[in-house]
Amino acid sequence: QVQLVESGGGVVQPGRSLRLSCVTSGFTFSSYGIHWVRQAPGKGLEWVAVISYDGGNKYYADSVKGRFTISRDNSKNTLYLQMTSLRAEDTAVYYCAKDSHYHERKTFYDLDYWGQGTLITVSS
Amino acid sequence: SYVLTQPPSVSVAPGKTATITCGANNIGTKSVHWYQQKPGQTPVVVIFYDSDRPSGIPERFSGSNSGNTATLTITRVDAGDEADYYCQVWDNISDHVIFGGGTKLTVL
Repeated sequence: QVQLVESGGGVVQPGRSLRLSCVTSGFTFSSYGIHWVRQAPGKGLEWVAVISYDGGNKYYADSVKGRFTISRDNSKNTLYLQMTSLRAEDTAVYYCAKDSHYHERKTFYDLDYWGQGTLITVSS
Repeated sequence: SYVLTQPPSVSVAPGKTATITCGANNIGTKSVHWYQQKPGQTPVVVIFYDSDRPSGIPERFSGSNSGNTATLTITRVDAGDEADYYCQVWDNISDHVIFGGGTKLTVL
């Protein structure tokens, strides 16, 4: 079955960096775009970034552009999110989620499988 | 930027029909997807491409999309449907995924 497992969360001070990982299984990772979505405590879903199946296209929410970098290693079936200059408002559960469409580079669709999420707390 | 507007809350009696709207400019030209998120759980797609239902989602869940409003309809609501519901689109102008603010469905 399809599985996505995030790791790398924790408590980090403002201004510091952190890297999240999302290890996947149960589907052909190299054929699908993958998203990061976050949810602050008690708040709604906020999309963070997406990377196309081949890593050739990456798109970011305005709130993280220039600070976060999404990447993937198709040989390891793993997605990453490098987060720098972290702020208190980045505190959230971070989910990785698979896009439903095969071999899309430019347009994305519904997020059909989600990981359980990893909590990032930015606090001094 | 493209904004999806949902009512913060909807309340419905058991057995009745719940209607959750998602409003945006010309949303009818986009594919809308709906997610259900129960407390402490991850989101689950309940409707994709405006009105398609994934396997395992009851037929009580349906969707429509036209003009400036997309709608998620849940018939014969029961306590198990209590959750937050989010609409979502891909905005090809900004190259962003957009989520609505979410609607908390309460079964009275």
